[in-house]
Amino acid sequence: DVKVTQSSRYLVKRTGEKVFLECVQDMDHENMFWYRQDPGLGLRLIYFSYDVKMKEKGDIPEGYSVSREKKERFSLILESASTNQTSMYLCASLRTGAGNTIYFGEGSWLTVV
Amino acid sequence: GIQVEQSPPDLILQEGANSTLRCNFSDSVNNLQWFHQNPWGQLINLFYIPSGTKQNGRLSATTVATERYSLLYISSSQTTDSGVYFCAGPPRGGNKLTFGTGTQLKVEL
Repeated sequence: DVKVTQSSRYLVKRTGEKVFLECVQDMDHENMFWYRQDPGLGLRLIYFSYDVKMKEKGDIPEGYSVSREKKERFSLILESASTNQTSMYLCASLRTGAGNTIYFGEGSWLTVV
Repeated sequence: GIQVEQSPPDLILQEGANSTLRCNFSDSVNNLQWFHQNPWGQLINLFYIPSGTKQNGRLSATTVATERYSLLYISSSQTTDSGVYFCAGPPRGGNKLTFGTGTQLKVEL
């Protein structure tokens, strides 16, 4: 089975801190995604990557950056955390091609105080 | 990007009841999928259904790609069906998976 692992399940950070959220997948998928989920807003795409060192902005990239130095790892970076970035963050991976399903990690609950 | 609209936004059922959830897309999508998010936040794939009908136990899904909608049927609902149901799909030729805002389902005894 595909496994997508997010490094931290629950985090509490202070405003202005730099925050790293790590995601690792073990099935050699080309595509990886970072979403945030907020009540009433569904899942909104922050950034995605379709290959090593490649990245594309999603719908809400402001305040975030990403890094994909290795195929299996996709990191989300909050350069200076703000309270409006308190949310649940979900990482996902997907093999390129038709007929493939997307797999999600368990989520990281981030609270910025 | 494409817009994804789900209905109803909220649904309360008595155990044993049936329900239909709907997903409308603003443009053509590939790889349309349905997900269930349990109360602990874990998202699980239910169906990959770009077109046609599939069934898995008490759940089935139908996608009419030419009319840009998909339906998820839940029969004989159980309390374990509670959670949020999402549909999602990338645009044709793309991999950027766009989600709807979900249907929050609560099944009561």
